[in-house]
Amino acid sequence: EAQVTQNPRYLITVTGKKLTVTCSQNMNHEYMSWYRQDPGLGLRQIYYSMNVEVTDKGDVPEGYKVSRKEKRNFPLILESPSPNQTSLYFCASSPRAPPYNSPLHFGNGTRLTVT
Amino acid sequence: LAKTTQPISMDSYEGQEVNITCSHNNIATNDYITWYQQFPSQGPRFIIQGYKTKVTNEVASLFIPADRKSSTLSLPRVSLSDTAVYYCLVGRKLVFGTGTRLLVSP
Repeated sequence: EAQVTQNPRYLITVTGKKLTVTCSQNMNHEYMSWYRQDPGLGLRQIYYSMNVEVTDKGDVPEGYKVSRKEKRNFPLILESPSPNQTSLYFCASSPRAPPYNSPLHFGNGTRLTVT
Repeated sequence: LAKTTQPISMDSYEGQEVNITCSHNNIATNDYITWYQQFPSQGPRFIIQGYKTKVTNEVASLFIPADRKSSTLSLPRVSLSDTAVYYCLVGRKLVFGTGTRLLVSP
């Protein structure tokens, strides 16, 4: 089944403890992206990747890192999580990178709580 | 970068047609218009995409006037399960904004 898989679905951690949220897609998509969703703020883009080894900052990249060493994987890394990074995170992919108008496919989300 | 404006919320009843309009005054020549639907705690789901005039699929219709400065997502005969947040995106930047919260009542 074609899908975007995020793990874990739920994560509770403490301030400063490094964590990684994994994202994998099995559709050979070029473009991958991370979003965070907070009440009243909608979905905001953190980082995106146009292809392997090509990543760039979105609108809210502070406190996050990403890597794209393989086409299928795009992990989100929080080196030193803080409580303001408590949020619902979504990974997405699409067949081709912008400016091509390929619809995004989203994962089921990771709810992160940092205490 | 094309900025979009949508109503914050809309209410409807089962069986009615719902039209959600998105304003995008500075849409670029090559920009497409894409709509997504999101249920609570789930990732957004692609609904429909168009460039001009009218596009229809099994879920919705998208109406785009000649000047392309706005677009209207039309959901025919909504049901309770259409209660969700709907996002209008324009162009390559893939900015979601806060969307339109649609509540369908019995």
